[in-house]
Amino acid sequence: KAGVTQTPRYLIKTRGQQVTLSCSPISGHRSVSWYQQTPGQGLQFLFEYFSETQRNKGNFPGRFSGRQFSNSRSEMNVSTLELGDSALYLCASSTGQGGTNEKLFFGSGTQLSVL
Amino acid sequence: AQSVTQLGSHVSVSEGALVLLRCNYSSSVPPYLFWYVQYPNQGLQLLLKYTTGATLVKGINGFEAEFKKSETSFHLTKPSAHMSDAAEYFCAVGGSARQLTFGSGTQLTVLP
Repeated sequence: KAGVTQTPRYLIKTRGQQVTLSCSPISGHRSVSWYQQTPGQGLQFLFEYFSETQRNKGNFPGRFSGRQFSNSRSEMNVSTLELGDSALYLCASSTGQGGTNEKLFFGSGTQLSVL
Repeated sequence: AQSVTQLGSHVSVSEGALVLLRCNYSSSVPPYLFWYVQYPNQGLQLLLKYTTGATLVKGINGFEAEFKKSETSFHLTKPSAHMSDAAEYFCAVGGSARQLTFGSGTQLTVLP
């Protein structure tokens, strides 16, 4: 069973540009969550999508957005990039059904560098 | 609001020695508690998870953690460290498994 796949693995952008990151969840998983990891702020929850709808949102500005497609694949977009957006962006998938057996499975991340 | 405090950003142990990584949480409701491990240039891998029931949780690779509600702690232990255990470890708390609040991480170094 294939794991969570994130593309691209590395990205270099300049300030003011926008970027789109992609995440393919484990087959059968309907929930995709996104996290930002930086040395200063650590791991922070961005948002979660389930059945093409944003179900939860973290405390990030509106420049950060996402969407989910009918096949559960998800994309995350950051507009008007700032230097502070440089981070490892992690995607995680789960069944989305809740309950004690639910677990998050993480991808290897996209390393975004903003110059 | 939920928060997690990991005591010690760096921990060093000798190979074969006990591993103890500390985690304290605050939560207004009974939480789900997790330990994740991250190897360089990789995503996070779930080590173990506490939901309800038994307070001693066994995970993968010989790790276990004990939930102590009175101390709001969820410390991670392994009786005998192996070189392959060198990694960064994250404690996390959440009302669900999907929206987690992570601690700042503990980098574990295993000395030969």
